[in-house]
Amino acid sequence: DAKTTQPNSMESNEEEPVHLPCNHSTISGTDYIHWYRQLPSQGPEYVIHGLTSNVNNRMASLAIAEDRKSSTLILHRATLRDAAVYYCILRERGRGETSGSRLTFGEGTQLTVNP
Amino acid sequence: DAGITQSPRHKVTETGTPVTLRCHQTENHRYMYWYRQDPGHGLRLIHYSYGVKDTDKGEVSDGYSVSRSKTEDFLLTLESATSSQTSVYFCAISGGLATGELFFGEGSRLTVL
Repeated sequence: DAKTTQPNSMESNEEEPVHLPCNHSTISGTDYIHWYRQLPSQGPEYVIHGLTSNVNNRMASLAIAEDRKSSTLILHRATLRDAAVYYCILRERGRGETSGSRLTFGEGTQLTVNP
Repeated sequence: DAGITQSPRHKVTETGTPVTLRCHQTENHRYMYWYRQDPGHGLRLIHYSYGVKDTDKGEVSDGYSVSRSKTEDFLLTLESATSSQTSVYFCAISGGLATGELFFGEGSRLTVL
C-alpha cells in the first residue's frame, strides 16, 4: 500500500475548526483515502473516506487536492470529545474478494483540544 | 454501534502458556481481522478471514494462528505466549468491499510475564 505522512501532533481550541493534513504523494489512481480516529482506550472508528471529490458526513469533511497527492480532514467545530489519534490511510480499490478491507495504519496525528 | 465483542478484555499470563482470544460479531459480516497495537508501531495486521474456514496472514503473523469455524466467531491463538506478544489486540469486521469500512472491537489487553 502507498504510504501517507501526517504530523505527529496538532492542537486546537474547543469550538474552532481543525484541519488535519495528510500527504500521499505516491497515491495511485485506484486508492481510496480513508480516515479513522482512535479515542483513548478504544478501538479505531471510521470517520470518512473519498476517492477524488470532496466528501461530507455528520462527523467531518474530507478535502482532496486536485492532484490527489494530499488531503485534509476538517472538523468544523472541535469538541473535547474529538481529542484522539487521527489516521489517514490509503486503500486500494478493486482488490479481490480474498483481500477484504485490510488497512495499514501508520502512527497518525495526535489531536489535542483545549477548552 | 457494530456488534463486536472481544473476550477476555484483560488477561495476564506467563511465558510459554497458550492463550486464545475470541472475537464475536452479530453483524453477519464476511470479513474479520485481528490487529495488535504497540507503542511506536501503530496497528499491525496479524491475520484476517474472508469467510468461514478461509484465513490468510497479515504482516505480523509469526507466533499466531487463527480459526473461523462459523461466521460470527474468529479466534486468535498464541500457542506459546512470549513477552514480545504483550500488546493490545483489536478485532475488526467489515462487510462488502464497496465501502471497506472497518468496525473495531474494544480491544483485549494481554500481558505476558
